[in-house]
Amino acid sequence: DAGVIQSPRHEVTEMGQEVTLRCKPISGHDYLFWYRQTMMRGLELLIYFNNNVPIDDSGMPEDRFSAKMPNASFSTLKIQPSEPRDSAVYFCASSLGNLGQGFYREKFDFGYTFGSGTRLTVV
Amino acid sequence: AQTVTQSQPEMSVQEAETVTLSCTYDTSESDYYLFWYKQPPSRQMILVIRQEAYKQQNATENRFSVNFQKAAKSFSLKISDSQLGDAAMYFCAYIGVVDDMRFGAGTRLTVKP
Repeated sequence: DAGVIQSPRHEVTEMGQEVTLRCKPISGHDYLFWYRQTMMRGLELLIYFNNNVPIDDSGMPEDRFSAKMPNASFSTLKIQPSEPRDSAVYFCASSLGNLGQGFYREKFDFGYTFGSGTRLTVV
Repeated sequence: AQTVTQSQPEMSVQEAETVTLSCTYDTSESDYYLFWYKQPPSRQMILVIRQEAYKQQNATENRFSVNFQKAAKSFSLKISDSQLGDAAMYFCAYIGVVDDMRFGAGTRLTVKP
């Protein structure tokens, strides 16, 4: 398997522009997570999906951020309009099952697999 | 929410020596997993080792081993025979039944030749 694939690897955009980050999870993984990494706040969970359905978006900083998962093999994180404080590395991760699901417990033994991240710079 | 604390922002070790990175966590759950992830300059998050809370035996993966002290809520990572390629940021992470994966602030490890 090619692992979790994110695109683009780097993105530089001007303040006010729309930015779309893309993620392809590992085939068969039923959970998908979006994280943001900054020096000040470390790794923060933004939102996660189970079977393409958003489960918890409490980490999404504000209405300018939105995420979708139209099918099992693709997710997007969109920022509109972008601001300089959105500059960060955005990671997508996927997993097979999750600890909270007793039924899937036996499948959850490898943690989350992360993509290579997208470094976003908003100028 | 559960918290994960890494009290060592930076550590250094001589090549071939042993180093221990510390991690403590706060939880009221009895069922959870703990992980150490490595993030080299390439920024890829690489799973190093994992520990299931209900297993008393400490996990080991080649030169990497953990000291899991459940009562003390401590989960340290020992790297033996350190190599230049071990230089990276190391993140301790927790996942429980209620919470998704939460990370510590990280420890930057430098390996001196």
